[in-house]
Amino acid sequence: AQSVTQPDIHITVSEGASLELRCNYSYGATPYLFWYVQSPGQGLQLLLKYFSGDTLVQGIKGFEAEFKRSQSSFNLRKPSVHWSDAAEYFCAVGAGTGGFKTIFGAGTRLFVKA
Amino acid sequence: KAGVTQTPRYLIKTRGQQVTLSCSPISGHRSVSWYQQTPGQGLQFLFEYFSETQRNKGNFPGRFSGRQFSNSRSEMNVSTLELGDSALYLCASSSGTGVTGELFFGEGSRLTVL
Repeated sequence: AQSVTQPDIHITVSEGASLELRCNYSYGATPYLFWYVQSPGQGLQLLLKYFSGDTLVQGIKGFEAEFKRSQSSFNLRKPSVHWSDAAEYFCAVGAGTGGFKTIFGAGTRLFVKA
Repeated sequence: KAGVTQTPRYLIKTRGQQVTLSCSPISGHRSVSWYQQTPGQGLQFLFEYFSETQRNKGNFPGRFSGRQFSNSRSEMNVSTLELGDSALYLCASSSGTGVTGELFFGEGSRLTVL
């Protein structure tokens, strides 16, 4: 069965510093991988996704993620964090076509200090 | 294009009661997924409907049920409420076909069980 592990429950970074959020997945076939962001009181918004091809994918708000099959990882990065990036970030793996079963990690809450 | 709409946004129930939550997907989307979000548990997959048929189901007791109507609107019902059912219930829609897999989320229905 597919699963997603986000080892960091919360992370604090200074504004302007770089960010890396970790994600490891377990899935037997080629995974469809996603990162979503949830701001307080909001639903989730897609940041980026990986299906195939180039293992470094670019997303919205200056985020990128790298798929590493050998490590079963899909870490999210941003070179310079802004205070507005404070939110909860979810890594997810999709199974089947159309994303009819998407499994989410437990999330990593990002705090940004001035 | 209007987003995913969930009603009600907030509700308070007592143990033993039942509740029905509603979700209107993005126009043209035929797939609706439901998730339960609680602190520390992340998003737990409840079920997914496509063209009025349940395609997949998570590991929740039979008290949790859902359905989808011909216009793709979906409802989920929780009977015999327990304190542990207090959570944010998120609905997400997608096209349901192809391999894009992106989910579009509503803002959720926050259920408090007293």
